[in-house]
Amino acid sequence: EAGVAQSPRYKIIEKRQSVAFWCNPISGHATLYWYQQILGQGPKLLIQFQNNGVVDDSQLPKDRFSAERLKGVDSTLKIQPAKLEDSAVYLCASSLMGGGGSYSYNEQFFGPGTRLTVL
Amino acid sequence: DAKTTQPPSMDCAEGRAANLPCNHSTISGNEYVYWYRQIHSQGPQYIIHGLKNNETNEMASLIITEDRKSSTLILPHATLRDTAVYYCIDPANAGGTSYGKLTFGQGTILTVHP
Repeated sequence: EAGVAQSPRYKIIEKRQSVAFWCNPISGHATLYWYQQILGQGPKLLIQFQNNGVVDDSQLPKDRFSAERLKGVDSTLKIQPAKLEDSAVYLCASSLMGGGGSYSYNEQFFGPGTRLTVL
Repeated sequence: DAKTTQPPSMDCAEGRAANLPCNHSTISGNEYVYWYRQIHSQGPQYIIHGLKNNETNEMASLIITEDRKSSTLILPHATLRDTAVYYCIDPANAGGTSYGKLTFGQGTILTVHP
């Protein structure tokens, strides 16, 4: 099956500019996640969607970051305006379901990520 | 914050077993232990998970102590392609009512050398 697709793979911008990332999850996956991974650290969840609704955005810097998943399929993550500390790899992942109500596990499948450099 | 503790780095000779430890002393009775790995310039990849019993799949084996406060991921015959960062995932946020959230720590950088 096709994996999680992300674009662009690389992006270089000046601080205070805007940037958008796109993610197309695996077909049929209800849950979509955006992670930020700063160099040398593990990924950090920014936002989680269940279909087209937000489940968790507690760590999303909402003054500059926004994300949407309008039709419950693909998603965009936007940064406006960018800061130097936003330089990171932005990972998108998807899973069949998001858990909830039981301790069953559902595997997350990650895309290759978008490497953002803010100058 | 992550509730797991892993050594920052380990080395392993190609063809030998790689044993990666993880402490999760705050784990509760219903929480799974999960392992993912991240090869350079790729997204993380699921390896294995377990609750109480030891688990094995085509990638690895997972040994969980009886008190469930620690576990060991075993790659039985490590290859150069197994060089990666290995994450033992915070079990409190990896399933159940937490909607599948993964909380990654720093992980262990495993280097497999010839």
